[in-house]
Amino acid sequence: DVKVTQSSRYLVKRTGEKVFLECVQDMDHENMFWYRQDPGLGLRLIYFSYDVKMKEKGDIPEGYSVSREKKERFSLILESASTNQTSMYLCASSVFGSPLHFGNGTRLTVT
Amino acid sequence: KQEVTQIPAALSVPEGENLVLNCSFTDSAIYNLQWFRQDPGKGLTSLLLIQSSQREQTSGRLNASLDKSSGRSTLYIAASQPGDSATYLCAVRGASGSARQLTFGSGTQLTVLP
Repeated sequence: DVKVTQSSRYLVKRTGEKVFLECVQDMDHENMFWYRQDPGLGLRLIYFSYDVKMKEKGDIPEGYSVSREKKERFSLILESASTNQTSMYLCASSVFGSPLHFGNGTRLTVT
Repeated sequence: KQEVTQIPAALSVPEGENLVLNCSFTDSAIYNLQWFRQDPGKGLTSLLLIQSSQREQTSGRLNASLDKSSGRSTLYIAASQPGDSATYLCAVRGASGSARQLTFGSGTQLTVLP
């Protein structure tokens, strides 16, 4: 079974802090994704990566950056956290055309 | 732009009932469609993936169908159980096959009453 692991289930950070969300997958998938999920807005794509060191902006990249130095790891960075970034963050991975596999999510609260 | 709709937003049924969840999409040029389950506060769990060339997929008590021409998919759950209570989401992948073109519905929250 594919395993996508997000390093934290819950995080509480202060406004202005730099925040790192880590995601690791164990199936050698080339594609990795970061989504955020908010009530009434559904899932929105922040960034995705189709190979090591390759990244593309999703629908809502503002305020975020990503890093993919190794195939198995995809990090989401909030350069200066703001209260409107309080959300559930979901990481996913896949190979072309195959099912998308998600991690358990990180509930981030910015105060 | 692809739009995916799931109606109803919430559904409550007694245990043992067979039920159908609906997913409709506006652009029939799709690569595949995936059904997910999400438990409260958790990530999404993949249930079934139907390729555009397929009509249905089955896994245990779950059966998903796809009618591309009408822009519809259904998820049939047989003999529902309280453990089936969750939010069910469908996601449509665009014709290129790239997951960048994945569009999610907003989900149907299912409650199965004991």
